[in-house]
Amino acid sequence: AQTVTQSQPEMSVQEAETVTLSCTYDTSESDYYLFWYKQPPSRQMILVIRQEAYKQQNATENRFSVNFQKAAKSFSLKISDSQLGDAAMYFCGGLIQGAQKLVFGQGTRLTINP
Amino acid sequence: GAGVSQSPSNKVTEKGKDVELRCDPISGHTALYWYRQSLGQGLEFLIYFQGNSAPDKSGLPSDRFSAERTGGSVSTLTIQRTQQEDSAVYLCASSPTRRNSPLHFGNGTRLTVT
Repeated sequence: AQTVTQSQPEMSVQEAETVTLSCTYDTSESDYYLFWYKQPPSRQMILVIRQEAYKQQNATENRFSVNFQKAAKSFSLKISDSQLGDAAMYFCGGLIQGAQKLVFGQGTRLTINP
Repeated sequence: GAGVSQSPSNKVTEKGKDVELRCDPISGHTALYWYRQSLGQGLEFLIYFQGNSAPDKSGLPSDRFSAERTGGSVSTLTIQRTQQEDSAVYLCASSPTRRNSPLHFGNGTRLTVT
């Protein structure tokens, strides 16, 4: 079985500060990849960042970076220099190669305070 | 190029009626997914297509739900005898199915059953 858990239903941060969103997962497979999607009020799901399980180096995309702890099955997202446009629902998810079924967590609603 | 297109964007129907939701994936994408997102909830996997076949339809909640894909392109999700609990946003996504290719999502169809 494959499960993804986001334990923070809501988070808030002051503009320009840093926030970390938590995600844990469970799988017995060794070949998989993980990702974070952002969903603003427009409903459009936007890929933020992705990480392949075999890569030890944490992925980084501009102000977004991940802390991938494979042994702990943890995949947190760090947003630096938060901007008002970062306000959205954030979904963590995972896909097992071969199964092709992406499983998502329940989401974290991020609010940016000006 | 064009992204994933879903129609209608909003649908209101009476309990007991049948509805069809349409998804036009990105041209050339062989994989197609349907997800359901209930109010304030995460994304629930419904079905996955590879070409015209559905290797994984494990997420369809009942036999009132069915989906098909024709020509390796357009997909239709049909809900028969709709119930109020079917009210949700139905999201479609497509992928080229290359290793670790991200999913590209449409803007969803918001279904309201009255």
